[in-house]
Amino acid sequence: GAVVSQHPSWVICKSGTSVKIECRSLDFQATTMFWYRQFPKQSLMLMATSNEGSKATYEQGVEKDKFLINHASLTLSTLTVTSAHPEDSSFYICSARDTGVETQYFGPGTRLLVL
Amino acid sequence: GNSVTQMEGPVTLSEEAFLTINCTYTATGYPSLFWYVQYPGEGLQLLLKATKADDKGSNKGFEATYRKETTSFHLEKGSVQVSDSAVYFCALSGQGAQKLVFGQGTRLTINP
Repeated sequence: GAVVSQHPSWVICKSGTSVKIECRSLDFQATTMFWYRQFPKQSLMLMATSNEGSKATYEQGVEKDKFLINHASLTLSTLTVTSAHPEDSSFYICSARDTGVETQYFGPGTRLLVL
Repeated sequence: GNSVTQMEGPVTLSEEAFLTINCTYTATGYPSLFWYVQYPGEGLQLLLKATKADDKGSNKGFEATYRKETTSFHLEKGSVQVSDSAVYFCALSGQGAQKLVFGQGTRLTINP
């Protein structure tokens, strides 16, 4: 149990385009999901907290107009990187909080490369 | 604020060696503590957790005990395998809070 999926796992796009990443909790409901960014050989940086049915809460320094988050259902959150640039290239990881056991479960990550 | 400090890596061991990865934390109240493992190119997997003082989390031969007196949650395994090679993250979730605070990660390499 407690499986979180992400799609796509890899994406390559041209500079200036937008990319949408999906995060799904497959076997539990998640009122809260989190989006992280990880640079090579570094720890995870929390970007935002996504609450079902309400606006996301962004961490300091994260541009909310650039990283659009939508959490329309209890099993799906999406992160859209708008007008992507090469510096947005990174590994993006989502997690979903299973409130029944107060634990976050992580997706496998999405590697974004912006050319 | 809450913070987690991990033993700096990388750590390289031979197969069947004893492993310790140190983790200490700073937090108010009674946080929950976690160890996550990240294999190359993948997301994080929950390895074990402990939610109150003196709890011991264990999984796949790994153990960690929540020590409030020393604010520590050290990860141990008695006999490591090549397949344990990965990056290990210690993390905490503050009391009543949802956010995870991660340590910097420790890269572990096990040689046959």
